[in-house]
Amino acid sequence: DGGITQSPKYLFRKEGQNVTLSCEQNLNHDAMYWYRQDPGQGLRLIYYSQIVNDFQKGDIAEGYSVSREKKESFPLTVTSAQKNPTAFYLCASSIRLQETQYFGPGTRLLVL
Amino acid sequence: SQKIEQNSEALNIQEGKTATLTCNYTNYSPAYLQWYRQDPGRGPVFLLLIRENEKEKRKERLKVTFDTTLKQSLFHITASQPADSATYLCAPHASGGSYIPTFGRGTSLIVHP
Repeated sequence: DGGITQSPKYLFRKEGQNVTLSCEQNLNHDAMYWYRQDPGQGLRLIYYSQIVNDFQKGDIAEGYSVSREKKESFPLTVTSAQKNPTAFYLCASSIRLQETQYFGPGTRLLVL
Repeated sequence: SQKIEQNSEALNIQEGKTATLTCNYTNYSPAYLQWYRQDPGRGPVFLLLIRENEKEKRKERLKVTFDTTLKQSLFHITASQPADSATYLCAPHASGGSYIPTFGRGTSLIVHP
């Protein structure tokens, strides 16, 4: 059953803590993306990757980091430098950059 | 800078009527435009793609138009149903280079039984 998965569904972060959000796809897509969505707001691009071992900053990359060591995986780390991390985080993938994106179910991050 | 505008106010319509959502864009010329549906607490789901050389695209009860002169796309749902209630996002895409995909904020559609 092909698709894109994100875990966990909910994540709690303490002040000063780094947390990592998981994103896995078995669609054999080259491109992967991370977005942040705040209530009543649109999707804002954090990072994207066109291919393994390559990634680029999006519009709001500060306080976040990513890696793309495997085609299937694109984890996002929310560092302590991100002062307002509470949001809904969405991962997506596409065959190539600019093609139709397929989204995961999202992870909601809350700060304790 | 590139800008995408979708109605921020929710669209309320009666079941069975046609819903029409608007997407306007400025400061770029997209090669194609996509529409997605997003339900609360879930990721967006792709619905339709229309290219700049296509005036209209249909899929079941959905219809999308693309007017590159007006820099506007219209998204229609005919014979609307309460299950169509969701937020609809448009995403105009430029072509070439390493263009970063951009989504509109979306318009909430509420279909009343």
